[in-house]
Amino acid sequence: DAGVIQSPRHEVTEMGQEVTLRCKPISGHNSLFWYRQTMMRGLELLIYFNNNVPIDDSGMPEDRFSAKMPNASFSTLKIQPSEPRDSAVYFCASSLLPSYGYTFGSGTRLTVV
Amino acid sequence: TQLLEQSPQFLSIQEGENLTVYCNSSSVFSSLQWYRQEPGEGPVLLVTVVTGGEVKKLKRLTFQFGDARKDSSLHITAAQPGDTGLYLCAGANTNAGKSTFGDGTTLTVKP
Repeated sequence: DAGVIQSPRHEVTEMGQEVTLRCKPISGHNSLFWYRQTMMRGLELLIYFNNNVPIDDSGMPEDRFSAKMPNASFSTLKIQPSEPRDSAVYFCASSLLPSYGYTFGSGTRLTVV
Repeated sequence: TQLLEQSPQFLSIQEGENLTVYCNSSSVFSSLQWYRQEPGEGPVLLVTVVTGGEVKKLKRLTFQFGDARKDSSLHITAAQPGDTGLYLCAGANTNAGKSTFGDGTTLTVKP
């Protein structure tokens, strides 16, 4: 298995633009998580899905953020409009049994200028 | 809200030294995971402990879950530069859909 695949690896965009981050979880994993990591705040859970259904989106910072999981093999995290304070590394992770651990992707480094 | 506190926040040692990092909480967890994250990559799961008092070994790394399942430690023997990274602990409860992550310990092992 190729693991959790995220794209793009790096994204630089101008303030106000729409940004879409993509994730392909490990086949068979029924839970998917979106995290944001910064030096100041560490690893923050934004939203997680179980069987393609959003379960907890309390970590989504604002209405500018949205996430979808149209099927078991694909998820997107969208920021519209983007702001400089959104600059961070965004990770996607998947799991079959979350209490036993996650498999993380390599992340997308987002820079909003 | 369940919180996990990791200490120390930063640790810099010489190759060959031993070290221990800690993960503490006032809450009970049914399982606890340790991850290592290298620069530019996502965290990688090292181990999951589920039984109070459990000890697991992974080569030079020894993981222990506290008897009360509120804390855990990671001990590294004869550290090597390849051990450099951010060590994260995460706690979960059975049937919970998500884990709670600590802020991590950044370890630097100098050759």
